Amino acid sequence: AAGVIQSPRHLIKEKRETATLKCYPIPRHDTVYWYQQGPGQDPQFLISFYEKMQSDKGSIPDRFSAQQFSDYHSELNMSSLELGDSALYFCASSLARVSGSGNTIYFGEGSWLTVV
Amino acid sequence: AQSVTQPDIHITVSEGASLELRCNYSYGATPYLFWYVQSPGQGLQLLLKYFSGDTLVQGIKGFEAEFKRSQSSFNLRKPSVHWSDAAEYFCAVGARGGADGLTFGKGTHLIIQP
Repeated sequence: AAGVIQSPRHLIKEKRETATLKCYPIPRHDTVYWYQQGPGQDPQFLISFYEKMQSDKGSIPDRFSAQQFSDYHSELNMSSLELGDSALYFCASSLARVSGSGNTIYFGEGSWLTVV
Repeated sequence: AQSVTQPDIHITVSEGASLELRCNYSYGATPYLFWYVQSPGQGLQLLLKYFSGDTLVQGIKGFEAEFKRSQSSFNLRKPSVHWSDAAEYFCAVGARGGADGLTFGKGTHLIIQP
């Protein structure tokens, strides 16, 4: 079965540079989530999109932005990178159901960002 | 606000022994509950989930978890662990419906000793 695809898998950037991470959700999933996991930390929710509209916002820095496109893929843009942005960035997708019948969230393998 | 507590940062279990990882949650309504496993340098793999119905849920790799509303707990169990189960285990809670993000616990690092 197709899974959540993230690219690139590894990325090295210098401080103050910009990085873009891409996420391709599971086919027919309408919701995308972004998480950040620092070394030895639990994943922290950044932002989510439902049907191409921002749905929920977590601890996403103002230097970061994201969007979901018409084909449901999503991109996380990170500017003015800082050393503390070095982390594993997960994308996840689900088929959201307002009625509450359950929306399992599936995670990608993650994109490793190292800021030097 | 929802929260998840995994009281055990590290747990060491002998291979073949039984396992229970604790998870307590705080949420205003009936939550969605998940257990994910993460091997070093890898992504998050879903072990099992609870949405409604039977409070004892079965997952992959021989894991199960029991939802106890009265205790606000969702403990993960396995009757006999294998060396390959060594990993980081995360409990997570999510809102019903919609597209809200999950809130994760801090994780429990499982060590398997021969």
